[in-house]
Amino acid sequence: AQKITQTQPGMFVQEKEAVTLDCTYDTSDPSYGLFWYKQPSSGEMIFLIYQGSYDQQNATEGRYSLNFQKARKSANLVISASQLGDSAMYFCAMREGISSGSARQLTFGSGTQLTVLP
Amino acid sequence: EAQVTQNPRYLITVTGKKLTVTCSQNMNHEYMSWYRQDPGLGLRQIYYSMNVEVTDKGDVPEGYKVSRKEKRNFPLILESPSPNQTSLYFCASSLPGTNTEAFFGQGTRLTVV
Repeated sequence: AQKITQTQPGMFVQEKEAVTLDCTYDTSDPSYGLFWYKQPSSGEMIFLIYQGSYDQQNATEGRYSLNFQKARKSANLVISASQLGDSAMYFCAMREGISSGSARQLTFGSGTQLTVLP
Repeated sequence: EAQVTQNPRYLITVTGKKLTVTCSQNMNHEYMSWYRQDPGLGLRQIYYSMNVEVTDKGDVPEGYKVSRKEKRNFPLILESPSPNQTSLYFCASSLPGTNTEAFFGQGTRLTVV
């Protein structure tokens, strides 16, 4: 079974508008972390935002926020006021067993290609 | 500057010719891993290492080897590359047991003909 599901292979958004990229996850571990990465056309992986399973509040980092709905097992990324430079591939990832003291692998979704239109 | 460095960035090789992709990090991270990225599949972990001389298989280890003789280096070895190993490869490092992100190298685009 897929541990991380990103159901939107591609998304378009008008510049200056907000966009939500969907991510659902599957785990039985009570302790886990959720990450979003951006991959521009140049190829590098850029960390955007992190949400811990025990965090009470949704994570925010500048124009990025994470809409964390634990009961639904979803961790959607919201980008406010989209810019042309936001055009990229976006990956949702999960690491289980954070509290175990060992760094487990990051499991990635298949990604969403976001295109910001001028 | 904190970074993960991979070399080479681009490589075209022929089937069966052994190759090594190097990875080095300067952050004193215990945990290092290798991923391959293929269209529609995201990133899949090949091998990981929890510390020096401690390595283990990820989700797609077949056809690959790794070693961790020093904390900073984690090379990926393809003993006999095949065309299905054509992919974009990433090395990553992080602190274990923390909630910090993984730091990725720039990627190595490998083509096996």
